[in-house]
Amino acid sequence: QVQLVQSGAEVKKPGASVKVSCRASGYTFINYDFNWVRQATGQGLEWMGWMSPKTGDTGYGQKFQGRVTMTRNTSINTAYMELSSLTSEDTAVYYCARGPPGGEIHDWGRGTLVTVSS
Amino acid sequence: QSVLTQPPSASGTPGQRVTISCSGSGSNVGSKFVSWYQQLPGTAPKLLIHSNHQRPAGVPDRFSGSKSGTSASLAISGLQSEDEAVYSCASWDGTLNGWVFGGGTKLTVL
Repeated sequence: QVQLVQSGAEVKKPGASVKVSCRASGYTFINYDFNWVRQATGQGLEWMGWMSPKTGDTGYGQKFQGRVTMTRNTSINTAYMELSSLTSEDTAVYYCARGPPGGEIHDWGRGTLVTVSS
Repeated sequence: QSVLTQPPSASGTPGQRVTISCSGSGSNVGSKFVSWYQQLPGTAPKLLIHSNHQRPAGVPDRFSGSKSGTSASLAISGLQSEDEAVYSCASWDGTLNGWVFGGGTKLTVL
C-alpha cells in the first residue's frame, strides 16, 4: 500500500533552516506529484508548494517564495522540503502529500513537527 | 485567514444528517474541483471526497459532496461518534496558482 514516511521532529533556532524528508513506497515514485502542506497548532492547513518528482519542476506559494526549496532523490524515492530563515511563526506540523499530476491531493504522510524556539 | 470559508463548528446527534459548507470564488471553487479531508485528532488529513463528489475506495457512502457555483458542501448522513473530527475543503486557485484550503470545521457528535 502507499506509504509516505517522513523524518522525525526537529527543533531549530530562529534564523536556521530545516530540511524534512518524505520517503515514498508502494507505488511508482515519479508518477505522482508531491505537495507540502503545514498546519500550526489549532490552525487550518496551509499549502506551501508542489514538486514533480519526474521532472523536478516546482511551484511555490507566494508566501514561501525565496524561502522554500523542494527537491527529490529518485534513486531512493524520497522528496525533500527545506525552509530557511525560520521564525517562531514557522512552528507547525509539516506534511508531505501526493496526488496525480495536476490533480488533487490524495495521500498524506503522518507529518513532521518543526519547532522554532530560541 | 483562509481563502475558502467554512463554519468553525458543526454538530449533530447520532443518526442525524449534517452538512458543512465551503465558500470560495470564481478562481477556485467556481472553476476547479473541490476535495474534502477528514482529520481525526492528532492525525494527518484523510481524503474523503475528490472531484467535487467522488469517494475514494473505502470511504463510506454516508459521506457525499456537492458543488454549486462558488460553494461546495459535504454531507454526512447517519452520523456516528467516530465522525467527530475536523473537516476541511480544498481547491486549486487559478489566480494564486496553488492549493487553497478552508479553515476547517470541527464536527461534534452530541
